[in-house]
Amino acid sequence: SAVISQKPSRDICQRGTSLTIQCQVDSQVTMMFWYRQQPGQSLTLIATANQGSEATYESGFVIDKFPISRPNLTFSTLTVSNLSPEDSSIYLCSVRGTANTEAFFGQGTRLTVV
Amino acid sequence: GNSVTQMEGPVTLSEEAFLTINCTYTATGYPSLFWYVQYPGEGLQLLLKATKADDKGSNKGFEATYRKETTSFHLEKGSVQVSDSAVYFCALSDRDSGNTPLVFGKGTRLSVIA
Repeated sequence: SAVISQKPSRDICQRGTSLTIQCQVDSQVTMMFWYRQQPGQSLTLIATANQGSEATYESGFVIDKFPISRPNLTFSTLTVSNLSPEDSSIYLCSVRGTANTEAFFGQGTRLTVV
Repeated sequence: GNSVTQMEGPVTLSEEAFLTINCTYTATGYPSLFWYVQYPGEGLQLLLKATKADDKGSNKGFEATYRKETTSFHLEKGSVQVSDSAVYFCALSDRDSGNTPLVFGKGTRLSVIA
């Protein structure tokens, strides 16, 4: 199993500013995944972060808006830039273990943009 | 590509009622299947899983059986409690290295009233 510490747990930000979310895992993992969960919706994958290389973004998400860092095998950050009210969501980081294992999630960051 | 379809919510039940949340999947090969639960204000937690056909996952009174012939993994509980009120997500993974994200259904919101 993996324990993920994600922070902040929530924040209220002014439009036009940025928020950086941190995700710390208690073990080394190859890939880390970042999701967005809009109010009342399912999870949408933003990007996959591999240590030592640029993150791979899903369709509709771009690096300028959602820059990701992955400096080592236990840590990653997601920044949500140039905030607008439409960015108000829960953001989740996730990891998996070996083949056939489940995904583990951080507790999420609830972002409100005003 | 792989996909998960689960019944639309919200589902509202009285305490001690029987619960079924349907989940069907499309996948190549033999995926592993999962149910996750998200309580209000929290991240996702694994509820149960099954990694091969005819496996039954169970936890906290919830059960789901991996049915290859019907490509289904329906979640059931014989007697729900108010504390079971949450959003439930069905998910799958390919038999892979663990470096790919899970594929999630849209989620089903369950409300249990006393």
